[in-house]
Amino acid sequence: EIVMTQSPATLSVSPGERATLSCRASQSVRSDLAWYQQKPGQAPRLLIYGASTRATGIPPRFSGSGSGTEFSLTISSLQSEDFATYYCQQYNNWPLLTFGGGTKVEIK
Amino acid sequence: EGQLLESGGGLVQPGGSLRLSCAASGFIFDSYAMSWVRQAPGRGLEWVSGISGSGGSTYYADSVKGRFTISRDNSKNTLYLQMNSLRAEDTAVYYCAKDPRGALPANWFDPWGQGTLVTVSS
Repeated sequence: EIVMTQSPATLSVSPGERATLSCRASQSVRSDLAWYQQKPGQAPRLLIYGASTRATGIPPRFSGSGSGTEFSLTISSLQSEDFATYYCQQYNNWPLLTFGGGTKVEIK
Repeated sequence: EGQLLESGGGLVQPGGSLRLSCAASGFIFDSYAMSWVRQAPGRGLEWVSGISGSGGSTYYADSVKGRFTISRDNSKNTLYLQMNSLRAEDTAVYYCAKDPRGALPANWFDPWGQGTLVTVSS
């Protein structure tokens, strides 16, 4: 099983600031990585797939980068609606799909 | 993109059974693989099971293999998860999710349903 490790567990950021979230895979997943946003009481929402391709309707302040074992999600200027928990997911090792433990982005 | 609506969750005793349903709309259902993903209270996401568009191929996480069965009725645009021999550790919100790339599963998920809560407790 490929283990996905996200850091930090919690990120405190002020509105308007830049946030960078990290996701590390225990072995290479090439670019087979997705990012999701989840708000309390809601289902996850797809942000990024293929490590760097924004999903339909996702604003350009969200960007993904990386390949192999190291990935990042950057939110260029945090808006109030961006405070949420973010998960990465690898889909390189089907059917053993795995998610990271999540990073909670909270208001500083 | 479409919409997904789960139902069938509830309280069940350990060792009991439950069947979840996921009604799909807004897309050609049999053209897409589907999966179930769960989230225990206050925890992260865990992929549970996936099925191809035709229903001919099914896949399970080791944690549910032999206890859960995924199926679909393409004539009713509905996905199912039959859960038997339930354990306390199966307590979670269960989401159905669409594999947006096509009929063979192996990818990311978009969209997700709103989820249905399964509680296994005596």
